[in-house]
Amino acid sequence: DAGVIQSPRHEVTEMGQEVTLRCKPISGHNSLFWYRQTMMRGLELLIYFNNNVPIDDSGMPEDRFSAKMPNASFSTLKIQPSEPRDSAVYFCASSHLQGIGNQPQHFGDGTRLSIL
Amino acid sequence: DQQVKQNSPSLSVQEGRISILNCDYTNSMFDYFLWYKKYPAEGPTFLISISSIKDKNEDGRFTVFLNKSAKHLSLHIVPSQPGDSAVYFCAASTWGTSGSRLTFGEGTQLTVNP
Repeated sequence: DAGVIQSPRHEVTEMGQEVTLRCKPISGHNSLFWYRQTMMRGLELLIYFNNNVPIDDSGMPEDRFSAKMPNASFSTLKIQPSEPRDSAVYFCASSHLQGIGNQPQHFGDGTRLSIL
Repeated sequence: DQQVKQNSPSLSVQEGRISILNCDYTNSMFDYFLWYKKYPAEGPTFLISISSIKDKNEDGRFTVFLNKSAKHLSLHIVPSQPGDSAVYFCAASTWGTSGSRLTFGEGTQLTVNP
């Protein structure tokens, strides 16, 4: 079975540019999560969706960050404008919605983002 | 406020011996705990989990122990193998109808020496 698919794997861009990260969750999963990993803060949750609806975006650092999930098989995380401090590895994860049992989250391989 | 803490950034063990990774948490509302393993340039991979109604869960070479009174969990790997060398994250969540929000520890780099 295909796992969580993220694209691109690497992104290098200049400060001020718009960055769009993409995620395809595992088919049948109805919860989707965006995480950011940095040396300073470790793995931190940015936002998550249940059944395509954003549930908790309290981890989104500021208004420059936005996330959408237009359908069950696709989500985007957008940064506009990007800044050097946004450089990090961004992970997407998916799972079955909790409530039918605790289900572990399955992670993609991440997008390594470098803002120059 | 670091609600999930892994105090050892690194651990080195000999092949065949036991590896013990530790994790402490502060939020008494956490009732579901997981361990993930992460290799470089890959995403975290789910390893094993335990709910708060249990104190032990075993899966092959991996056993997770939970001490609720101490707010402490540990992962035992026995016997350790060189392929187990990776960063191990513990994570905690609460069981709720709004979904599982995981809080991760900082990770422990395990190195298993041949």
